[in-house]
Amino acid sequence: EAQVTQNPRYLITVTGKKLTVTCSQNMNHEYMSWYRQDPGLGLRQIYYSMNVEVTDKGDVPEGYKVSRKEKRNFPLILESPSPNQTSLYFCASWDLYNEQFFGPGTRLTVL
Amino acid sequence: KQEVTQIPAALSVPEGENLVLNCSFTDSAIYNLQWFRQDPGKGLTSLLLIQSSQREQTSGRLNASLDKSSGRSTLYIAASQPGDSATYLCATNRDDKIIFGKGTRLHILP
Repeated sequence: EAQVTQNPRYLITVTGKKLTVTCSQNMNHEYMSWYRQDPGLGLRQIYYSMNVEVTDKGDVPEGYKVSRKEKRNFPLILESPSPNQTSLYFCASWDLYNEQFFGPGTRLTVL
Repeated sequence: KQEVTQIPAALSVPEGENLVLNCSFTDSAIYNLQWFRQDPGKGLTSLLLIQSSQREQTSGRLNASLDKSSGRSTLYIAASQPGDSATYLCATNRDDKIIFGKGTRLHILP
């Protein structure tokens, strides 16, 4: 089954404790992206990747890191999480000019 | 910078009615525009993708149109059903930067 998977689905952590949210796709897509969704602000792009070792900033990259060492994986790293990064996070993948496929989301709470 | 607006923010209609959801964008130099559905607390489900060279796309009771010159897209839902209740989001793709509207929360009254 073609899908984008994210782990964990739910995470509660404390300020400053480094964490990684994993994202994997099995469709051999070139492009992958991370978004955060917040009430009143909607979905905003954090980072995206056009291929292995190629990444670029989206609208809200501050406080986040990404890496693309393999085509199928695109982890999101929060080196020092803060409460304002409490949000619902989505990973997506797509091929150039084609539709995006989204993962199920990761609900992160930073205390 | 691209801005994507969806009006209205919320809409309630009786079951069986046809309805139109609106999406407007400020920068017409887009690769494509995609419509999604999101149920509460869930992920996004792709509904329709319209390439910049296309005027419309259809899937079942859904029809999406795109007018790049006026910066508008519409999602037409025919014969609405209670199961259509959800938030509908549009998103533009320009140079791989994806910009979402804030969505229209649709409630179909039984």
